Amino acid sequence: EAGVTQFPSHSVIEKGQTVTLRCDPISGHDNLYWYRRVMGKEIKFLLHFVKESKQDESGMPNNRFLAERTGGTYSTLKVQPAELEDSGVYFCASSQTTVYGYTFGSGTRLTVV
Amino acid sequence: QKEVEQDPGPLSVPEGAIVSLNCTYSNSAFQYFMWYRQYSRKGPELLMYTYSSGNKEDGRFTAQVDKSSKYISLFIRDSQPSDSATYLCAMSEGSSNTGKLIFGQGTTLQVKP
Repeated sequence: EAGVTQFPSHSVIEKGQTVTLRCDPISGHDNLYWYRRVMGKEIKFLLHFVKESKQDESGMPNNRFLAERTGGTYSTLKVQPAELEDSGVYFCASSQTTVYGYTFGSGTRLTVV
Repeated sequence: QKEVEQDPGPLSVPEGAIVSLNCTYSNSAFQYFMWYRQYSRKGPELLMYTYSSGNKEDGRFTAQVDKSSKYISLFIRDSQPSDSATYLCAMSEGSSNTGKLIFGQGTTLQVKP
């Protein structure tokens, strides 16, 4: 079974630019999550998709972040325009249930300079 | 105050030692308690999960939850160099509406041969 795939693995962009992160969940997993870890802090929830619908987006920091999940398959997280404080590791996870058993991807390390 | 507190360490032990990792939390609504292991440049990997209070054992790993004290622990017996990683506790309310996990900051463990 293929795991959760994220790309790019690394991205370095300048402040004010746009970056799009992509996540391919495990096939058949309706639940898809985005999390972020800023340096020195804990991993924090951003949002939760059930199929193509946003179930919970309470963790999205502001309207510069836009998440989509096309046809309930892969998901993208766009940051526009990027700010310095957006630097961190962005993790995607997928699961069959909403309680436990998430499988995380290896993350996208975003650096905004 | 953070919802979940975890000593970031680092914790260094000799091979074969018993390791004790702990988290405290403030939200009494948490029902599911998880321990994740994260190797460098990888995503978190689920080690164990526990529902409500009690103990759970899996090989060299034992997870304990004391809801009355809002305290969870992970014990690693006969620790191996391959156990060197960051260990993250995570919790959820178990609501069917969201799979949001709240993470601790993670404890970095080094097991020396």
